[in-house]
Amino acid sequence: DAMVIQNPRYQVTQFGKPVTLSCSQTLNHNVMYWYQQKSSQAPKLLFHYYDKDFNNEADTPDNFQSRRPNTSFCFLDIRSPGLGDAAMYLCATSSPRANKRIQYFGAGTRLSVL
Amino acid sequence: TQLLEQSPQFLSIQEGENLTVYCNSSSVFSSLQWYRQEPGEGPVLLVTVVTGGEVKKLKRLTFQFGDARKDSSLHITAAQPGDTGLYLCAGAGNFKFYFGSGTKLNVKP
Repeated sequence: DAMVIQNPRYQVTQFGKPVTLSCSQTLNHNVMYWYQQKSSQAPKLLFHYYDKDFNNEADTPDNFQSRRPNTSFCFLDIRSPGLGDAAMYLCATSSPRANKRIQYFGAGTRLSVL
Repeated sequence: TQLLEQSPQFLSIQEGENLTVYCNSSSVFSSLQWYRQEPGEGPVLLVTVVTGGEVKKLKRLTFQFGDARKDSSLHITAAQPGDTGLYLCAGAGNFKFYFGSGTKLNVKP
């Protein structure tokens, strides 16, 4: 059974039209992550939450925002998508054990920008 | 700055060959994960190594964590077309994970 669920799997939006991607988890993990991945490259961390504490990466554009209303859900908002934002967006969670921190990924949302 | 250097970046081999992928760093990690990712899907966790010198086997895949917990390797014996994919290593920091650049493996029948 999927433990990190991303919806939708595929999203098409227009240039400049706001879009929201969603992620839910059944693992009750306190840390959640959003990554951007372009073809065959390593995932690039956008931000992460430790509980409700939001941590933005220094090079994440302001165009990307996030919300975490509760432990189970996390959203990625792209305020004005550009052609360069077309990518796979991955949500992940990690286990709380400090000495064996493991990350679990969702299946991803493939975003196309027309 | 890439904390984890992964090599090779691309590998194309024939079915039945052996291969090794390396993941090296100057930093110490509390644990290190290996993932395989297929096109259009999220990374799937293969293994987590925690103890320096640890060796784990998963069928034809052998994972090793360096004694100093700075590097790791993945060895595949008798590769099959089903092994094709992007292999990623990731070292665990405090709450962040540091990824290698990935190895794109293609196993030809």
